[in-house]
Amino acid sequence: QVQLLQSGAEVKKPGASVKVSCKASGYAFVGYFLHWVRQAPGQRLEWLGRINPNNGRPDYAQKFQDRVQMTRDTSISTAYMQLSNLTFDDSALYFCAKMTSGWYGPNDHWGQGTLVTVSS
Amino acid sequence: EIVLRQSPATLSLSPGERATLSCGASQSVSSNSLAWYQQKPGLAPRLLIYDASTRATDIPDRFSGSGSGTEFTLTITRLEPDDFAVYYCQHYGASPLTFGGGTKVEVK
Repeated sequence: QVQLLQSGAEVKKPGASVKVSCKASGYAFVGYFLHWVRQAPGQRLEWLGRINPNNGRPDYAQKFQDRVQMTRDTSISTAYMQLSNLTFDDSALYFCAKMTSGWYGPNDHWGQGTLVTVSS
Repeated sequence: EIVLRQSPATLSLSPGERATLSCGASQSVSSNSLAWYQQKPGLAPRLLIYDASTRATDIPDRFSGSGSGTEFTLTITRLEPDDFAVYYCQHYGASPLTFGGGTKVEVK
């Protein structure tokens, strides 16, 4: 069965960077876009961007363009999301989510979430 | 960027009742690329409906989606105890993908 297993919770100071991993199993990793979505406490879901695991090409939301980096390692079916220059507003639950087939589609499987806390 | 507005913010209903949730888009959603998700506290969203009206795998038929263009609806015909949660709509037809603010379906 499809599974997305994310790395554990992180606590970071303002100005630092965080890197979250997402290990995929149960499907052909290179065949489906992998998205990153976050949710601050009590807030709506927010799309950070996506990566095409086949060629490594990312597609970032403009809001995060300057400080997000999405990469992947196909040898271990793992995607990574790094967010730099963290502020208190970046404290949130970060999810990776597999997209259905095609160029654009909904997210049919999600990771369990990684809690990132920015605290001084 | 397509802005999605969901209403109502909160829906107070009893088990067995019908729930009707709305999602309005700031511009027409191409190819009806609109999905609905259910989310419970601390958990990841669960895909219910995609392409505005197609149920995802293993989703019971009490969940249905309808609409096109800029107005979409999620209907839950007979609420079961497990259905009390927050529901989000999502546009996925082009970047950036966006989500609505959510509708919380709570027990009356």
